[in-house]
Amino acid sequence: DTGVSQNPRHKITKRGQNVTFRCDPISEHNRLYWYRQTLGQGPEFLTYFQNEAQLEKSRLLSDRFSAERPKGSFSTLEIQRTEQGDSAMYLCASSFPSGIGTGELFFGEGSRLTVL
Amino acid sequence: QKEVEQDPGPLSVPEGAIVSLNCTYSNSAFQYFMWYRQYSRKGPELLMYTYSSGNKEDGRFTAQVDKSSKYISLFIRDSQPSDSATYLCAFTSGTYKYIFGTGTRLKVLA
Repeated sequence: DTGVSQNPRHKITKRGQNVTFRCDPISEHNRLYWYRQTLGQGPEFLTYFQNEAQLEKSRLLSDRFSAERPKGSFSTLEIQRTEQGDSAMYLCASSFPSGIGTGELFFGEGSRLTVL
Repeated sequence: QKEVEQDPGPLSVPEGAIVSLNCTYSNSAFQYFMWYRQYSRKGPELLMYTYSSGNKEDGRFTAQVDKSSKYISLFIRDSQPSDSATYLCAFTSGTYKYIFGTGTRLKVLA
């Protein structure tokens, strides 16, 4: 399967713990995105990488959130000192320049976070 | 005013019906207009995109864009139970930031 892969698929944690999600994009895609989706809402933009450079962080990303994409390959999203409000689906997408903007977004299946 | 407005539904229709899904937007800079489909507990997948006013057809799906009214629609003909999903409209001005609607939940009853 050569799609976008996200791990873990579901993470349950206690408030105050740190969690890390990993995203492996489609191999030839140089653009990588993180989105957050809560129940009944559409995906909300969190951050964007072009190769290894993080070009934008949404103000939705407090300083408890950090994302990296070392060597322009896989990416990690870490949340420190989790809060119940962080409970959501974290979606990773990748793209390659094409007919739409910076490219059609190919999404992974998401990592669902539940903070107790 | 929200940048994108989409009725969350749910919308229930009988199999074979024509479904109409709509979004309005306020940002004149949007250049690309997309519809994504999201099945339960899955990531969204692109259904259709266009960058001009008018209609674009792909099988049972037709995307319609009216830039003057800032209104886009997705029509599904001969709807099937397998079409039951959440449909998200999405927009971009050509940059990396894609703005999604809240999604409309559709249920097609057999």
